[in-house]
Amino acid sequence: EAEVAQSPRYKITEKSQAVAFWCDPISGHATLYWYRQILGQGPELLVQFQDESVVDDSQLPKDRFSAERLKGVDSTLKIQPAELGDSAMYLCASSLEGRNSPLHFGNGTRLTVT
Amino acid sequence: GQQLNQSPQSMFIQEGEDVSMNCTSSSIFNTWLWYKQDPGEGPVLLIALYKAGELTSNGRLTAQFGITRKDSFLNISASIPSDVGIYFCAGRQGGSEKLVFGKGTKLTVNP
Repeated sequence: EAEVAQSPRYKITEKSQAVAFWCDPISGHATLYWYRQILGQGPELLVQFQDESVVDDSQLPKDRFSAERLKGVDSTLKIQPAELGDSAMYLCASSLEGRNSPLHFGNGTRLTVT
Repeated sequence: GQQLNQSPQSMFIQEGEDVSMNCTSSSIFNTWLWYKQDPGEGPVLLIALYKAGELTSNGRLTAQFGITRKDSFLNISASIPSDVGIYFCAGRQGGSEKLVFGKGTKLTVNP
C-alpha cells in the first residue's frame, strides 16, 4: 500500500537554529497538509496545499514558519529560528482532491528544541 | 475555531471487553473520520463516514455518524491487546476541506 514518506524521523536542534522537514505524498494526491501535534493533543493544521498553491495557512506562524510545494509533489516545512515551544511531532498528510477524501498520514518528524 | 469534544479521555479495560467512545461538537459536520495512533507513528485511518445516520464497520470496529450531524461514535468489540493506542475523531464542516481533530481517547487493554 502506498505511503506518505517523511524525513527525518527525529530531529534535535538548538533554539534559534533553522530546521527543515520533507514530505513526499502518495502518488496522485493533489492535496497535501502539514499538521503539528503536541504531546497529548490531537493534530492541528498548519498549512494545506492544493497542487503547488497554498489554500489555508491561517494557523501557520509566518514570522518563523514557511512551507513550499514547488512542483506540486513533495513539500518542505521550515522553521527559522526554532523556539523551545516548537517541540512537537510534525505530521504530513495527503488526500485526493475533494471534500470526501480521507487524509493519509506519514509517520511524522519528532522535533526536540533544546 | 471548531471544537471537537472527545470522551472519555482514557479507558482501561480487560481483554475481551467491548469499548465505546464518542465525539461531539456544537457545530454540524459533513464528514467524520476515526483514526488510531500508535506511539511514535502517524494516525492511521480506521473508518470514514459521510452521511448522517451512516453506520460502518471495519472488522471489530463500528462507527456511526450521528443523525444530528454533531456527533459520532466508535465501538470496538471483543478488545485485544493490539487495540491499545490513541483513537482520534476528526471532522469536516460544510464548504471546507479542513479536518479538525479531537484530543483523543487513550485505550489501555489489560490481558
